[in-house]
Amino acid sequence: KQEVTQIPAALSVPEGENLVLNCSFTDSAIYNLQWFRQDPGKGLTSLLLIQSSQREQTSGRLNASLDKSSGRSTLYIAASQPGDSATYLCAGSLRGGADGLTFGKGTHLIIQP
Amino acid sequence: KAGVTQTPRYLIKTRGQQVTLSCSPISGHRSVSWYQQTPGQGLQFLFEYFSETQRNKGNFPGRFSGRQFSNSRSEMNVSTLELGDSALYLCASSFSGNSGANVLTFGAGSRLTVL
Repeated sequence: KQEVTQIPAALSVPEGENLVLNCSFTDSAIYNLQWFRQDPGKGLTSLLLIQSSQREQTSGRLNASLDKSSGRSTLYIAASQPGDSATYLCAGSLRGGADGLTFGKGTHLIIQP
Repeated sequence: KAGVTQTPRYLIKTRGQQVTLSCSPISGHRSVSWYQQTPGQGLQFLFEYFSETQRNKGNFPGRFSGRQFSNSRSEMNVSTLELGDSALYLCASSFSGNSGANVLTFGAGSRLTVL
């Protein structure tokens, strides 16, 4: 059964810093990996989807990479802003989506103005 | 373009009652997935529907059920509610049936409190 772990559980950094959030998974047969953000009391917003044949995706100040052999994904946030404060979740799926998305517990990020 | 709409947003029930939650996906999306989010367990997959058929199911008891209508709207039902069913229930829609191959768009969720 796929397990997804996110480290750290919480992170607080000053505005303007570059930062990296980590996600590890146990099943190298992972098919796709997605990164989401969740604001308090809200649903999830998809940030990046890395398909099985890809190794990374970029959107604006965000860059996500996927290394299936090591069971790791990272989300890089450049020039952090207070508006980036949220909980960031990574989620992996197996081919066919049989178990849906398996989510990590998330990293609660606070960007200090 | 309207997003994923979930109703009701908040509800309070007592143990033993049943509840029905509704989800309207983005127009054109045929796949609807449901997830339960709790502080202790995080987000857990409930089930996925595609073209009115349950395609995948998570590890939840039979008290949790769902269905999808011809217009892709979906409902989930929880019978004989327990205190542990208190959670945020999230619905997500996508274009195809493989929830991992496409970006999922989530609704704001339905927060259920069981007393």
